[in-house]
Amino acid sequence: AQSVTQLGSHVSVSEGALVLLRCNYSSSVPPYLFWYVQYPNQGLQLLLKYTSAATLVKGINGFEAEFKKSETSFHLTKPSAHMSDAAEYFCAVSEGFNKFYFGSGTKLNVKP
Amino acid sequence: GAVVSQHPSRVICKSGTSVKIECRSLDFQATTMFWYRQFPKQSLMLMATSNEGSKATYEQGVEKDKFLINHASLTLSTLTVTSAHPEDSSFYICSARGDRGRPYGNSPLHFGNGTRLTVT
Repeated sequence: AQSVTQLGSHVSVSEGALVLLRCNYSSSVPPYLFWYVQYPNQGLQLLLKYTSAATLVKGINGFEAEFKKSETSFHLTKPSAHMSDAAEYFCAVSEGFNKFYFGSGTKLNVKP
Repeated sequence: GAVVSQHPSRVICKSGTSVKIECRSLDFQATTMFWYRQFPKQSLMLMATSNEGSKATYEQGVEKDKFLINHASLTLSTLTVTSAHPEDSSFYICSARGDRGRPYGNSPLHFGNGTRLTVT
C-alpha cells in the first residue's frame, strides 16, 4: 500500500518569498503523484500531476513540483509567494484506478 | 477540465432527519465516484466508493446503513445521511476520476466544492 507524508502541518512565508511544501511517498512501483489546493469551505482543486513524463512538473498559479525517485519525494515549490496562495495543500498518490491516498495536508500562511 | 458539481453547498438539519447530497460529473462519465469526509483541520477520509449500477464499497468503520449511497447513472451519485445526529456534522466532498472526458486509470481526481452539514 502507498503512504504519503507531508512534513510540516503549517508553513509560513512572507509575500514574495519562496514556497516549499514537502511531500514524501512510499511506493514499490512507479507512482502517480498529485498536488491539490483547498481554500476554506471548498473542495480540492488540482494544482499539478506527475504521471511518469517529465520529472519537473509545472502546474497552475506558478507552482511546480519535482519528482525525485531516489528521494521518494515530490516537493511543491513556487518562487514568489502571493497572498492569494494562502490555503491548505494536499499531496496525493494514486495506486490503480480506485485508490487515492492523501497526505495530512500543509496549511500555508503568507505574511504581508 | 473535468468538472464535478456538488449540491447543496451548505445544509442545516435537525437531529433525526435525513439529508441527501448530490454529486454530478458535468462533462464526463464517471462509473466510479468517491465520497470523502473532512474533519476540521484534518485530511480527507475516504468513506466509500460509489459504483454505477452496483453497490457502493464502504471503508472500514463507515456505517453503510447511515450513509446510503446511490449511483444510478454515469453522471450522478448521491449520499444520504440518514437519521442525522450532531456528530455527523462535517464537510462532505465527492470526487470522480476522469481526464478530458474519459476515465483514465491514472488521471486525477476532480472534486466537488463540498457540502457543509450541520446537524442541530
